[in-house]
Amino acid sequence: AQSVAQPEDQVNVAEGNPLTVKCTYSVSGNPYLFWYVQYPNRGLQFLLKYITGDNLVKGSYGFEAEFNKSQTSFHLKKPSALVSDSALYFCAVRDTGDDKIIFGKGTRLHILP
Amino acid sequence: DGGITQSPKYLFRKEGQNVTLSCEQNLNHDAMYWYRQDPGQGLRLIYYSQIVNDFQKGDIAEGYSVSREKKESFPLTVTSAQKNPTAFYLCASSETGPDTQYFGPGTRLTVL
Repeated sequence: AQSVAQPEDQVNVAEGNPLTVKCTYSVSGNPYLFWYVQYPNRGLQFLLKYITGDNLVKGSYGFEAEFNKSQTSFHLKKPSALVSDSALYFCAVRDTGDDKIIFGKGTRLHILP
Repeated sequence: DGGITQSPKYLFRKEGQNVTLSCEQNLNHDAMYWYRQDPGQGLRLIYYSQIVNDFQKGDIAEGYSVSREKKESFPLTVTSAQKNPTAFYLCASSETGPDTQYFGPGTRLTVL
């Protein structure tokens, strides 16, 4: 069975510093991996996805994520954080041949001015 | 504008009443999904549909029902059998299967 874990409930970063939001996964086949962001009282917005190919995936708003097969991780990163990046971030995974995506519990990112 | 609409944004109901949440999309997507979001629990899949007139139970389907009579519409009914219905409900769609999903703005249901 597929699963995804976001080990940090909350991450605090000073504006201008690099940020990382962690995600690890477990699948039996090959993973399809996603990051979504949710601003207060709104739906989720797609940020980026990994299907195959280059391990470093670039997405919206300057975010990127690195697929690491040996560590079964897909951490979200940004070189320089903005206050406007403060939101709830969800990692999600789909196993090969599965027709559902499983979402993590979310990590709340606070960017401190 | 293409997108997903959910109505209403806020919904209040008395305990024991059934309530139906609307979800409409004009993206011409085949697949549609309903999720429930509770604090600290992330998104949990209630029901999903990959094609008109067909749908499958997700991880927490008990106390909910859906229909998919039209490609663009996927209403969710929260029945009186749902033990704890107060939550934020999100609808999503994708072009085919569980690929990139596009989410509606959500409906916050409060059962009094």
